[in-house]
Amino acid sequence: NAGVMQNPRHLVRRRGQEARLRCSPMKGHSHVYWYRQLPEEGLKFMVYLQKENIIDESGMPKERFSAEFPKEGPSILRIQQVVRGDSAAYFCASSRQGAGADTQYFGPGTRLTVL
Amino acid sequence: GESVGLHLPTLSVQEGDNSIINCAYSNSASDYFIWYKQESGKGPQFIIDIRSNMDKRQGQRVTVLLNKTVKHLSLQIAATQPGDSAVYFCAENINNAGNMLTFGGGTRLMVKP
Repeated sequence: NAGVMQNPRHLVRRRGQEARLRCSPMKGHSHVYWYRQLPEEGLKFMVYLQKENIIDESGMPKERFSAEFPKEGPSILRIQQVVRGDSAAYFCASSRQGAGADTQYFGPGTRLTVL
Repeated sequence: GESVGLHLPTLSVQEGDNSIINCAYSNSASDYFIWYKQESGKGPQFIIDIRSNMDKRQGQRVTVLLNKTVKHLSLQIAATQPGDSAVYFCAENINNAGNMLTFGGGTRLMVKP
């Protein structure tokens, strides 16, 4: 009964490179959420996706960031032309339903370091 | 803007004592609240949740209390153990306003042996 899986766990990129973060939701879950966490801070919502659809991207920067959740395969958070300020932990969560009161379960996170 | 926040950034307790972690929220439209535990280098782990039509909910060694009058949420941990040492976050969700969770800043719980 695997939980939410994320990879890679650690990612190092130089400024200007692209970062791709992957998330596989829990079995039976079709709703995926991405959050970002800076050190010693709480998580900040970025984007909410269902299969093949972006439902809410109100927390995602308009430039350089994109997310997808294809029919087959994991959800991808893509950051183009990374800058040092993108260094953070990125967490993915999934839920069975999309209702607001449906529990979100988190993955172990990807820690992105931009040199 | 409205947000979820915590009173104490660090809480130090003796092993075996009870712990109480507090959280204040300001959005009266919030109707679902969750406590997460986050250990160093790991993702948030669900502990317990409560809906706004309840004022108390109990789990194994944990109890969440919700006081809607003063917009206050607390997590009580009974017989605190070293393994409880972590950062605890409260999070809120506003029904019909999307599925995003709004997290507070976190309280670090340190358990002394």
